Amino acid sequence: DGGITQSPKYLFRKEGQNVTLSCEQNLNHDAMYWYRQDPGQGLRLIYYSQIVNDFQKGDIAEGYSVSREKKESFPLTVTSAQKNPTAFYLCASSPRWEDTQYFGPGTRLTVL
Amino acid sequence: GDSVTQMEGPVTLSEEAFLTINCTYTATGYPSLFWYVQYPGEGLQLLLKATKADDKGSNKGFEATYRKETTSFHLEKGSVQVSDSAVYFCALSDDNYGQNFVFGPGTRLSVLP
Repeated sequence: DGGITQSPKYLFRKEGQNVTLSCEQNLNHDAMYWYRQDPGQGLRLIYYSQIVNDFQKGDIAEGYSVSREKKESFPLTVTSAQKNPTAFYLCASSPRWEDTQYFGPGTRLTVL
Repeated sequence: GDSVTQMEGPVTLSEEAFLTINCTYTATGYPSLFWYVQYPGEGLQLLLKATKADDKGSNKGFEATYRKETTSFHLEKGSVQVSDSAVYFCALSDDNYGQNFVFGPGTRLSVLP
């Protein structure tokens, strides 16, 4: 089955620790995205990648980092510099930059 | 820049009622328009889309028509079910380079039996 996987579904970390969220897609999509969603809120774009080995900051990139070394993978690292990291993180991909986005199931990160 | 506005929720309906969730947009180009649905604790699922003016997107009993003259893409369903309870997001994708997707704030729908 083709799709987008995010792991783990729930993640707990202590304050001050970096944590990496996984996002993998087997849809052969060029573009991938990371969004943050806070309770009762909409989506905010963290980072995006239009093509492998390239990525750009979104609206709220501070305290986050990404890599895109493989077409199918776009991991997000939440660093200790992110002041309020507890949130629901959504990964998405699209065939090309302007195409329909398809979402993974999300990872809920809680920083204690 | 581009933007999407949705009616504020929550919207509470009884089963079999008619649903309308309003969505209007501003865009500099010729956007494609989308409705996504998010069930509790899950990611967003594409519900329907329309790529040009007067197109109608439909899926699972939901419909929305791309109205360029009113810059709107209202979501409708003739008879809602309890299982339709979710958050609905309107979104646009502009063909201007660098703009890409813009999501509305979401509208929470609760359907009571």
